[in-house]
Amino acid sequence: AQSVSQHNHHVILSEAASLELGCNYSYGGTVNLFWYVQYPGQHLQLLLKYFSGDPLVKGIKGFEAEFIKSKFSFNLRKPSVQWSDTAEYFCAVMAYNNNDMRFGAGTRLTVKP
Amino acid sequence: NAGVTQTPKFQVLKTGQSMTLQCAQDMNHEYMSWYRQDPGMGLRLIHYSVGAGITDQGEVPNGYNVSRSTTEDFPLRLLSAAPSQTSVYFCASSYGDGFYNSPLHFGNGTRLTVT
Repeated sequence: AQSVSQHNHHVILSEAASLELGCNYSYGGTVNLFWYVQYPGQHLQLLLKYFSGDPLVKGIKGFEAEFIKSKFSFNLRKPSVQWSDTAEYFCAVMAYNNNDMRFGAGTRLTVKP
Repeated sequence: NAGVTQTPKFQVLKTGQSMTLQCAQDMNHEYMSWYRQDPGMGLRLIHYSVGAGITDQGEVPNGYNVSRSTTEDFPLRLLSAAPSQTSVYFCASSYGDGFYNSPLHFGNGTRLTVT
């Protein structure tokens, strides 16, 4: 089955700093990739997804992610973070045409005002 | 719009007790799933269902049972609770198109403590 690794457990940034959160997956076939966000006290919400086409995908709130197939990676980026981006971010992978979605361990982002 | 509703929000059990976590959705979603969230381990898939009468195991199914008798409901049963099942449980649903047009919609979670 597929699996996901998120390298950063906790990232602390100041407002306006740039963000990149790493995500690598393990699966030999075609995958669909997702980033979800969990704000404090809330449930998970979809940030963005990749299914096919342009490997650079844009999501809500200025986030984007790039799928690099050769590196099995799907890193999340934002040019300038805000205090309101403080949350936990989860990368997820699903093998193509499979309903078994696997999540990474999550990266906690703290943005200092 | 109720979305995905989980009950109860909090529950404390003694080791060996059984209970059922309820999950209901009103979006006519075919796909439903249960995850547990533990610190440092993210979300792990317990069981999922692609429609009424159909269930399948996820990554960590042991100690849990599910059934899907209706499209709306997907209860999760703990047969004999163990301290290792202390966790936050999330139910999620989707139209079942492989999440292409319909991302997973999550409930607000059930925080379970087993003593």
